[in-house]
Amino acid sequence: GAVVSQHPSRVICKSGTSVKIECRSLDFQATTMFWYRQFPKQSLMLMATSNEGSKATYEQGVEKDKFLINHASLTLSTLTVTSAHPEDSSFYICSAPKSGGRDEKLFFGSGTQLSVL
Amino acid sequence: DAKTTQPPSMDCAEGRAANLPCNHSTISGNEYVYWYRQIHSQGPQYIIHGLKNNETNEMASLIITEDRKSSTLILPHATLRDTAVYYCTPYAGNMLTFGGGTRLMVKP
Repeated sequence: GAVVSQHPSRVICKSGTSVKIECRSLDFQATTMFWYRQFPKQSLMLMATSNEGSKATYEQGVEKDKFLINHASLTLSTLTVTSAHPEDSSFYICSAPKSGGRDEKLFFGSGTQLSVL
Repeated sequence: DAKTTQPPSMDCAEGRAANLPCNHSTISGNEYVYWYRQIHSQGPQYIIHGLKNNETNEMASLIITEDRKSSTLILPHATLRDTAVYYCTPYAGNMLTFGGGTRLMVKP
């Protein structure tokens, strides 16, 4: 079964509104979670690293005031797309590493398809 | 600079083995080679990973060259449900980045 839950799976919103996406680790704690964005027929692009109890680290070119990340607990990270515009329409995916050492795996949520009208 | 190089697409007949190559010539000594696949409109799914020894699990086998500069993912008996984009990536517990991947099409 899924070990990382992402919600919602699909959202349609009007331009100018904000959208919150949740990512939960279901049976493990994650001090770090990663957020990716994927445009059609392209690869996943890392947007930011979410750190529990501290500020997120954003990749170059990603606006931190546009994409607000909150990692308030060891099992939940949220990504809020503020004042969304049509160009923000994309597939957003979160991930979290489980376990450590040679058995560490990065598990991914099922993704959120955001459509901004 | 791309961390990995993979052929953009491959075809495979159903029931035959699918061999997906990946070049990761700049991999660091502490980085494992991870393979994921992504079926359309879903999150990536973990397949297998290895450091320097060959690995096998219920999904696939992973062959890593002795110099660790390349690897091959083997799906021994491909099915139609294996049609997906396959990504290889070095990973050492910090962050995982994706290259272009290989779009594998399994055909009847």
